[in-house]
Amino acid sequence: EPEVTQTPSHQVTQMGQEVILRCVPISNHLYFYWYRQILGQKVEFLVSFYNNEISEKSEIFDDQFSVERPDGSNFTLKIRSTKLEDSAMYFCASSASGRNTGELFFGEGSRLTVL
Amino acid sequence: SQQGEEDPQALSIQEGENATMNCSYKTSINNLQWYRQNSGRGLVHLILIRSNEREKHSGRLRVTLDTSKKSSSLLITASRAADTASYFCATDAKERGGADGLTFGKGTHLIIQP
Repeated sequence: EPEVTQTPSHQVTQMGQEVILRCVPISNHLYFYWYRQILGQKVEFLVSFYNNEISEKSEIFDDQFSVERPDGSNFTLKIRSTKLEDSAMYFCASSASGRNTGELFFGEGSRLTVL
Repeated sequence: SQQGEEDPQALSIQEGENATMNCSYKTSINNLQWYRQNSGRGLVHLILIRSNEREKHSGRLRVTLDTSKKSSSLLITASRAADTASYFCATDAKERGGADGLTFGKGTHLIIQP
């Protein structure tokens, strides 16, 4: 069964360092998302991406964050200068239909620990 | 309460019993979805109910939606130990034109005692 894959599964970094989280969405999906979940808290929307551009972003997704689809398969989230409060599980998701008309398929997440 | 708030926060029942979780939201929606998350894992979509639907079934799952009360419930019948997980409702925001970002609640942590 097709699935969303994310790497790395866990990354530990020093505050101020740049981090890139990678995702391979399901191949025929057109809509891509990043969400994050701070330990014990709710899943929060960060950004959605369609047709090679950001279609929506939340207030969490500030100038320190960026997304890119560098080729036909990968979808990356970059955090330019990590802060302690960026420690969270980051989930990539993809959808065939977008606009919340269909289900999101989530990856297993990348756990980011900022020291 | 915030958009997509589930209650109870935690629920522990015996295997074979039914589990009911509730979700309340504040703004108008196009649809509401329920997701499941096993500890430390990704979210898995369970069911989507549209704003013009009142009830939907999928296997042992039954979801209801009351748009007048801005609430939804998820019923899992004949629970199994493998149903132990956190369950989240997620809503879009109709006034944002059905924008892309889903708003998740804090979830209900369900424990099925064998």
